[in-house]
Amino acid sequence: AQTVTQSQPEMSVQEAETVTLSCTYDTSESDYYLFWYKQPPSRQMILVIRQEAYKQQNATENRFSVNFQKAAKSFSLKISDSQLGDAAMYFCAYRGRGAGNQFYFGTGTSLTVIP
Amino acid sequence: DADVTQTPRNRITKTGKRIMLECSQTKGHDRMYWYRQDPGLGLRLIYYSFDVKDINKGEISDGYSVSRQAQAKFSLSLESAIPNQTALYFCATSEGSPSTDTQYFGPGTRLTVL
Repeated sequence: AQTVTQSQPEMSVQEAETVTLSCTYDTSESDYYLFWYKQPPSRQMILVIRQEAYKQQNATENRFSVNFQKAAKSFSLKISDSQLGDAAMYFCAYRGRGAGNQFYFGTGTSLTVIP
Repeated sequence: DADVTQTPRNRITKTGKRIMLECSQTKGHDRMYWYRQDPGLGLRLIYYSFDVKDINKGEISDGYSVSRQAQAKFSLSLESAIPNQTALYFCATSEGSPSTDTQYFGPGTRLTVL
C-alpha cells in the first residue's frame, strides 16, 4: 500500500503571512492524483486543491498553491496571506490512477493562525 | 441540502452493543466509502463499495460490517462495539472516473463506546 507522510503535526502562522505544509508519499506508480483536504473545527472535510501527477504545472486555487516535486515524491501546500479561517487540520491524500485504486491519507497537520 | 449526510451525528453507546451508522448521498455517485479518524492516525479506510453488488474490505475492517442497500445508501455496523472503536467516522463518495475522481465527505459521526 502507498504511504503518505506529513511530518509536521502542528504548525502556526501569523495572520497575513505565508505558511507551507509538507507532504511526502511513497509509490511505484507513475500516474496518480494528490489532494489537500482541510478539516476545520466543524469537522467537515473540504477539498482544498488537487494535482494530477502527469501535469508539471503546480495547481493553484486562490491563496492556496502546491509545490509538486514528482522525483522527490513531495507535495507541499502553500497558504498565502493566511486568514483566521484557515485554521484547521490539513490532510494530504494520494490516489493511484487505476479505476480500482483507493485513497490514502496522511496523519494531518494542525494549523493555527495567530491574529 | 447537504450532498452526503450521515446519521447520527453523535452517538454514545456501551461495550457489546450493536450500532449502525448510516450514510446517504444525493450526488449520484457509484462509489461510497467508510473511514475512521483517530488523533495522530489520520483517516483509515474501513470498507468501500464501487456499486451496489461490490463490497470491499479496507485497511481496518475487523469488527465492522457494511451494507449497500441502494446506490445512495451505505451503512456501517459495529456488531459488538468495543471502546477502541471510539472515533470519528466519515462516509465519502466519489464518481469513480480517474480523470475527475475526488472524494466528497459527509459531516462525520462521533462515536463513543463506553
